Amino acid sequence: DAKTTQPPSMDCAEGRAANLPCNHSTISGNEYVYWYRQIHSQGPQYIIHGLKNNETNEMASLIITEDRKSSTLILPHATLRDTAVYYCIVRLREDYKLTFGKGTLLTVNP
Amino acid sequence: GAGVSQSPSNKVTEKGKDVELRCDPISGHTALYWYRQSLGQGLEFLIYFQGNSAPDKSGLPSDRFSAERTGGSVSTLTIQRTQQEDSAVYLCASSLVGALANYGYTFGSGTRLTVV
Repeated sequence: DAKTTQPPSMDCAEGRAANLPCNHSTISGNEYVYWYRQIHSQGPQYIIHGLKNNETNEMASLIITEDRKSSTLILPHATLRDTAVYYCIVRLREDYKLTFGKGTLLTVNP
Repeated sequence: GAGVSQSPSNKVTEKGKDVELRCDPISGHTALYWYRQSLGQGLEFLIYFQGNSAPDKSGLPSDRFSAERTGGSVSTLTIQRTQQEDSAVYLCASSLVGALANYGYTFGSGTRLTVV
């Protein structure tokens, strides 16, 4: 069972920042926060992960609150191709299973 | 290859027939996973292979499902006596293990199985 809570859907205008929230209030000290997305008819795609520091890569930024009970995935300039279901997953580094919840369907509108 | 390759991409089979789904992981990735996704549902873990260790089969839904991984590379998921509830997209993923596992899993595009 998923340890995270995400809104079922969100909308964003093309070119604007998309901020996707995730609550993980029961996260333990050595669990990481991972984000994946799944574009329609494709397999999930890894986006980013973090432990407690904010992280940034070429796809997105991950902001984790100081108490680590929630995080936000930021797509700085959303495009139509970013329309997808975004999954927030909490996982121990050595835990090989990914437990997917229902995720957030992000729709980027022109 | 550059990514995880799955074949076939689509498979339609009659109820009661056996099917085999194939996964070619990324070269050098020692860990391999099978998941399935039923229509409108989330991803469900099926099985995990890591090197020469015994696989974790805890997610297989019934004894009609089996999987093997030959030579630590290619994997085959077999479903015997298929039922209509087996219709789903079957996804394979691979990853490095250990410190490099933090870079996440790479998924294939899946095999869409339809049992009629």
